[in-house]
Amino acid sequence: ETGVTQTPRHLVMGMTNKKSLKCEQHLGHNAMYWYKQSAKKPLELMFVYNFKEQTENNSVPSRFSPECPNSSHLFLHLHTLQPEDSALYLCASSQLAGSSYEQYFGPGTRLTVT
Amino acid sequence: GQNIDQPTEMTATEGAIVQINCTYQTSGFNGLFWYQQHAGEAPTFLSYNVLDGLEEKGRFSSFLSRSKGYSYLLLKELQMKDSASYLCAVMDSNYQLIWGAGTKLIIKP
Repeated sequence: ETGVTQTPRHLVMGMTNKKSLKCEQHLGHNAMYWYKQSAKKPLELMFVYNFKEQTENNSVPSRFSPECPNSSHLFLHLHTLQPEDSALYLCASSQLAGSSYEQYFGPGTRLTVT
Repeated sequence: GQNIDQPTEMTATEGAIVQINCTYQTSGFNGLFWYQQHAGEAPTFLSYNVLDGLEEKGRFSSFLSRSKGYSYLLLKELQMKDSASYLCAVMDSNYQLIWGAGTKLIIKP
């Protein structure tokens, strides 16, 4: 248990569906992150939030839409995804973005787009 | 561009020692991290190096040479539970983490 939880753990969705991934951290951190992890590839940073404000969007397609209502919760809304979006989506948190604090990861949501 | 290189896969024997290397080329440097990730689980923090030299934490040690753009993770007295992927990540001048693809470590009895 890292103090970061993600739901659901597994998700299968069609290309026309709309779904949301949820992340919650119980560590009192101020920064939260979404990453995409594909097999044998480096982690790809998608979005960064610091004190609920988005500070990074790494050229992520608009079919991925993040939401951070407070410092403890982070959502990733998905719509009209493509099969190549199938991957493990990891949420992480840290004390502060833009600093050397280590990141704590959730277990991820394994997403399959059919 | 920014790049982190580490071997894709390594195999070692239970009880032995293994060294996982990581070389990097990044825009600036604000520290190097090692994470462990068991299959189907979250990456977990192992170590952070920002100054040259060796940092020891129990059976695990991490080394950094900034002039060579090089780090290694040393695992001693290997146990079966050490079978996992080991991720190297460098924090660049913008405090963004640049990740390697990970090294899958297989431990054999």
